[in-house]
Amino acid sequence: TQTVSQSDAHVTVFEGDSVELRCNYSYGGSIYLSWYIQHHGRGLQFLLKYYSGNPVVQGVNGFEAEFSKSDSSFHLRKASVHWSDSAVYFCAASINYAQGLTFGLGTRVSVFP
Amino acid sequence: EAAVTQSPRNKVTVTGGNVTLSCRQTNSHNYMYWYRQDTGHGLRLIHYSYGAGNLQIGDVPDGYKATRTTQEDFFLLLELASPSQTSLYFCASSEGVANTGQLYFGEGSKLTVL
Repeated sequence: TQTVSQSDAHVTVFEGDSVELRCNYSYGGSIYLSWYIQHHGRGLQFLLKYYSGNPVVQGVNGFEAEFSKSDSSFHLRKASVHWSDSAVYFCAASINYAQGLTFGLGTRVSVFP
Repeated sequence: EAAVTQSPRNKVTVTGGNVTLSCRQTNSHNYMYWYRQDTGHGLRLIHYSYGAGNLQIGDVPDGYKATRTTQEDFFLLLELASPSQTSLYFCASSEGVANTGQLYFGEGSKLTVL
């Protein structure tokens, strides 16, 4: 079975700053990784995914993530955050995409003006 | 864009009560999922389905039943609700294909069991 860990429960940044959210997974084989965003009181929305190929993947709203097999990581980055990026971010993994995703506990991002 | 609609959005019941949470998706996805979201636990998979009449057990199925009546409709049933089932429930759908295995989530159903 696979597990997903997000080491930061809460990150505080200022508008215009860059941010990196960390995600590590444990599984020895091929794995499907993704990031989701959840604004307060809303459902989760897909940001980006990685399954194979280029380890740097681009997502919506300027987000990108980089897969590293050696580090078992899939960190999410954004070069310049906006106040609307304030949300909870979930990293997710699956070894069998049909069986749903295993989610990390989430990282809350607070963006201040 | 895929649409997943959940109802009710809020529900309060008492211990031992009977609750049905409904989910409808309108994008012809084969795969549907029920998750619960709790502080300190993130999202945990309760049940999922590959299609009408199919049911699969997730990671935290105890105390829950589910039915997939059509490709569009997936129900979560709590026949004897307990306070430990107070949670925010999310339904999601997916094409279930590796390259596009994105999940589309509903807006959530908040359940309170007194």
